[in-house]
Amino acid sequence: EPEVTQTPSHQVTQMGQEVILRCVPISNHLYFYWYRQILGQKVEFLVSFYNNEISEKSEIFDDQFSVERPDGSNFTLKIRSTKLEDSAMYFCASSGTVNTEAFFGQGTRLTVV
Amino acid sequence: DAKTTQPNSMESNEEEPVHLPCNHSTISGTDYIHWYRQLPSQGPEYVIHGLTSNVNNRMASLAIAEDRKSSTLILHRATLRDAAVYYCILRDRQGGSEKLVFGKGTKLTVNP
Repeated sequence: EPEVTQTPSHQVTQMGQEVILRCVPISNHLYFYWYRQILGQKVEFLVSFYNNEISEKSEIFDDQFSVERPDGSNFTLKIRSTKLEDSAMYFCASSGTVNTEAFFGQGTRLTVV
Repeated sequence: DAKTTQPNSMESNEEEPVHLPCNHSTISGTDYIHWYRQLPSQGPEYVIHGLTSNVNNRMASLAIAEDRKSSTLILHRATLRDAAVYYCILRDRQGGSEKLVFGKGTKLTVNP
């Protein structure tokens, strides 16, 4: 069964450092997403990406965040200068069309110290 | 974003059916009803979705009220592996927004 893969599974970084979270969506999918989940809280939408550009973003997705699809397979989330409050599970997801099911990866646990 | 209301938690016994309710009284005619679940320490997982008619797949059944203001996710025989948080989410089929808006969901506990 096709799956979304995320690397690394756990990343520890110092406050102020840049991090890049990587995702390989399902190969024939066209829509890509990042969500995050702070420990014990709800899953929150960050950004959606379609046709090589951001199609929607939340208030959380400020200038410190960026996304990129550098080649035909990877989809990355960059946080330029991490803060303690960025510590969370980050989930990548992809879907074939906007109204079909989204497939989520297993997540990257980001710990900012 | 259209809102849904779910009980915070429910409990079931293994191999018994489970009915997880969801109220969505402000649903619009273009909203699909989606269900996802999140097992402990994992990403959300798609379960099922529907528009007006009841739907079945290998994981579950979705029963949608005639007025579409509520729906019920049915797990026919709960297993320990079904212990998860279940989310009922409305998505605009006209593609007005691509995002999934997760609420707190229903935490399902399955007793052996």
